[in-house]
Amino acid sequence: DAKTTQPPSMDCAEGRAANLPCNHSTISGNEYVYWYRQIHSQGPQYIIHGLKNNETNEMASLIITEDRKSSTLILPHATLRDTAVYYCIVRVTSGNTGKLIFGQGTTLQVKP
Amino acid sequence: KAGVTQTPRYLIKTRGQQVTLSCSPISGHRSVSWYQQTPGQGLQFLFEYFSETQRNKGNFPGRFSGRQFSNSRSEMNVSTLELGDSALYLCASSAGQRNTEAFFGQGTRLTVV
Repeated sequence: DAKTTQPPSMDCAEGRAANLPCNHSTISGNEYVYWYRQIHSQGPQYIIHGLKNNETNEMASLIITEDRKSSTLILPHATLRDTAVYYCIVRVTSGNTGKLIFGQGTTLQVKP
Repeated sequence: KAGVTQTPRYLIKTRGQQVTLSCSPISGHRSVSWYQQTPGQGLQFLFEYFSETQRNKGNFPGRFSGRQFSNSRSEMNVSTLELGDSALYLCASSAGQRNTEAFFGQGTRLTVV
């Protein structure tokens, strides 16, 4: 019952920007969009999250549409080490806690 | 600051046995969540603990249980192991507020034979 839809796979040339889309058309007003990535059976790594404003950190930028029904994760200069499965997650919250509902994610292959 | 520590990293058990996995969260974090990852089902939420209380529970049978101690360390237990319980079990810790990120450990790889 994932609340997000992502393309199963994408390729990106090394050094170019990787733009990973995500649809979350049923998102509620107080639900955050989170992005994680997982490199070959390691634990998922937190990338970024946001509510409605665009966010940027040292790893990536998150662009959320005005209606909040979709978002895009941008890796500005992809490297081979960015090859991973990227998960877009809507965090379901209850009080101060929340669970992460993972979909199938997007497998990003960065090519030299 | 140390990250999330899960022990053991690898485990092999026989069908019918039980197993206990341990998770030490990041210092100061009060919320611990557990996830199961299998090739067929992907990452699935098991349960979440906050201040020693179970706050959320996923759709898993009662053979899967957990607890959290006063120091926020958590354990999960699986009884009467089945072959299908073979998976990577991941623990995530967070401060527990609504909009804070969760940090994952490296997981425990359980193989049931």
